[in-house]
Amino acid sequence: GAVVSQHPSWVICKSGTSVKIECRSLDFQATTMFWYRQFPKQSLMLMATSNEGSKATYEQGVEKDKFLINHASLTLSTLTVTSAHPEDSSFYICSARAGSTEAFFGQGTRLTVV
Amino acid sequence: GDSVTQMEGPVTLSEEAFLTINCTYTATGYPSLFWYVQYPGEGLQLLLKATKADDKGSNKGFEATYRKETTSFHLEKGSVQVSDSAVYFCALSDQGNTPLVFGKGTRLSVIA
Repeated sequence: GAVVSQHPSWVICKSGTSVKIECRSLDFQATTMFWYRQFPKQSLMLMATSNEGSKATYEQGVEKDKFLINHASLTLSTLTVTSAHPEDSSFYICSARAGSTEAFFGQGTRLTVV
Repeated sequence: GDSVTQMEGPVTLSEEAFLTINCTYTATGYPSLFWYVQYPGEGLQLLLKATKADDKGSNKGFEATYRKETTSFHLEKGSVQVSDSAVYFCALSDQGNTPLVFGKGTRLSVIA
């Protein structure tokens, strides 16, 4: 199947700093990518839909100024957690579809804010 | 809107036991159905899928059949192994380029 690569796998940052997470589709073009957040032992919570060349669509309750999403090309979307605080610590996962039925997921990024 | 309901976990089984994880869905159209598996600390991997009624998806000994009449897509495996311990998510897709709709996940622990 198609491959989605997410980087970094884990990151520890100080409170108040910003962290960028990259999501790349390696062998297909993804016009749309999705960003999820997963709390321990819970399901995935959709944060936003990222469309190449246009603004992301955020789910209700997700702060767009806190979670900046950029989809600069058909193979790359980035999520930047700005001014991170301990409550932003979580597992973030991206996924991509290219009009196919299934979605392909990145490996996830474990963010710890200290 | 569309929704997926799957059985609550955790499920604990002995090695070689039979596994069933129930999944039912609500959708306005004719969705594609999926089972994804998540191992600790990792993203989700597609386990199997079915795109139309009566299709059976299978992979690694796991099977699920798309039952339109009961709006179900139950996951089964005849003999589980310790390495099958993971969280299993049932999901549906109504159309391309929209996010999948996920169930809450079922944690499976297989003990030797």
